Amino acid sequence: GAVVSQHPSWVICKSGTSVKIECRSLDFQATTMFWYRQFPKQSLMLMATSNEGSKATYEQGVEKDKFLINHASLTLSTLTVTSAHPEDSSFYICSAYADRVDGADTQYFGPGTRLTVL
Amino acid sequence: GNSVTQMEGPVTLSEEAFLTINCTYTATGYPSLFWYVQYPGEGLQLLLKATKADDKGSNKGFEATYRKETTSFHLEKGSVQVSDSAVYFCALKKGGSEKLVFGKGTKLTVNP
Repeated sequence: GAVVSQHPSWVICKSGTSVKIECRSLDFQATTMFWYRQFPKQSLMLMATSNEGSKATYEQGVEKDKFLINHASLTLSTLTVTSAHPEDSSFYICSAYADRVDGADTQYFGPGTRLTVL
Repeated sequence: GNSVTQMEGPVTLSEEAFLTINCTYTATGYPSLFWYVQYPGEGLQLLLKATKADDKGSNKGFEATYRKETTSFHLEKGSVQVSDSAVYFCALKKGGSEKLVFGKGTKLTVNP
């Protein structure tokens, strides 16, 4: 149990376009989802915390207008990279926080989305 | 601030070799400590965790002990298998928060 999916797994887009990435918890409800960004050979950097039905909380240095997060239901959060530029190219990973699933508080991670902006 | 430092890889071992991946942390208070594993093409999975000093987390033959005096949480396995080839991330979580702080990850390759 506790599976998280992301779609798409990879995307290539032109500079200036917007890209939407979906994160779904498939077999549990997640009131909180997290969005991370990972550069090559770097650790995962938390971008924002997404709570169902409320505005996302962004980490310092993350542009709210560039990375739009929507958490419209208990199983879906979306990250939209607006007006993407080559420097936004990265690996984006989401996680869903499950309260007491499998008897423990933990985050369950999606497989990630590779974004390449040309 | 809170941070995690883990040994840089890649690490290449032969099957049945002993594995150690070092992890040290900087944090105020008493964080919970985690090891996550990412197999090729998959998302991060929780491997083991420890929530207080001297706790030992274990799973699938892997172990790590929460050492407050040395602020360490080193991952060990006595005999690695080819199927253990993956990237391993050390992470911490402060009490009262669900935010995780990750190390950079260590890629392990086990050869038959």
